[in-house]
Amino acid sequence: KAGVTQTPRYLIKTRGQQVTLSCSPISGHRSVSWYQQTPGQGLQFLFEYFSETQRNKGNFPGRFSGRQFSNSRSEMNVSTLELGDSALYLCASRPTTGTGGGYTFGSGTRLTVV
Amino acid sequence: DQQVKQNSPSLSVQEGRISILNCDYTNSMFDYFLWYKKYPAEGPTFLISISSIKDKNEDGRFTVFLNKSAKHLSLHIVPSQPGDSAVYFCAASLNYGQNFVFGPGTRLSVLP
Repeated sequence: KAGVTQTPRYLIKTRGQQVTLSCSPISGHRSVSWYQQTPGQGLQFLFEYFSETQRNKGNFPGRFSGRQFSNSRSEMNVSTLELGDSALYLCASRPTTGTGGGYTFGSGTRLTVV
Repeated sequence: DQQVKQNSPSLSVQEGRISILNCDYTNSMFDYFLWYKKYPAEGPTFLISISSIKDKNEDGRFTVFLNKSAKHLSLHIVPSQPGDSAVYFCAASLNYGQNFVFGPGTRLSVLP
């Protein structure tokens, strides 16, 4: 079956702009989580969506937001981009939430803010 | 304040020898732990997990050990192969699968 698909793979934006990243989970997976990866910080949890509802949220400013659609696809939005937002953004899906098991990750979107 | 720590940013091991990657956590309420492997330009892939009711879980060449009293877990790879060269992330969660907290990762290099 198809894996987790993230688009676009690479993105260059200017400071102050906004950006929207997209994630299509594995078919049948209803939980989608977003992580930010930066060198030395590992993967920082942004948020998790399940059945179109945000279930958990990490410690990120309100400029970071997301949503999930009825087909479980998810988008993440970052407004007023800062240079420090440059990172690899990873989306991960799993069948449900809070029931153990690991995520399946996508390949990520590499965001560069200049 | 990092709740999951991987104090070795990098590790080099000879092919065929054992690789030991360590992970420490601060929250004694974590009850489920995972290891992921990540190659460049790819997303992390799940390797092995362990719940807090166990102290060891084995899957082929990979074994994870959990020491709850020390809040420490380790991943053993035996024998190490060049294809194991990657960044390894340790992750922990509360309540068996709520959002996972990841460590910063350890870059493993297996030398032929």
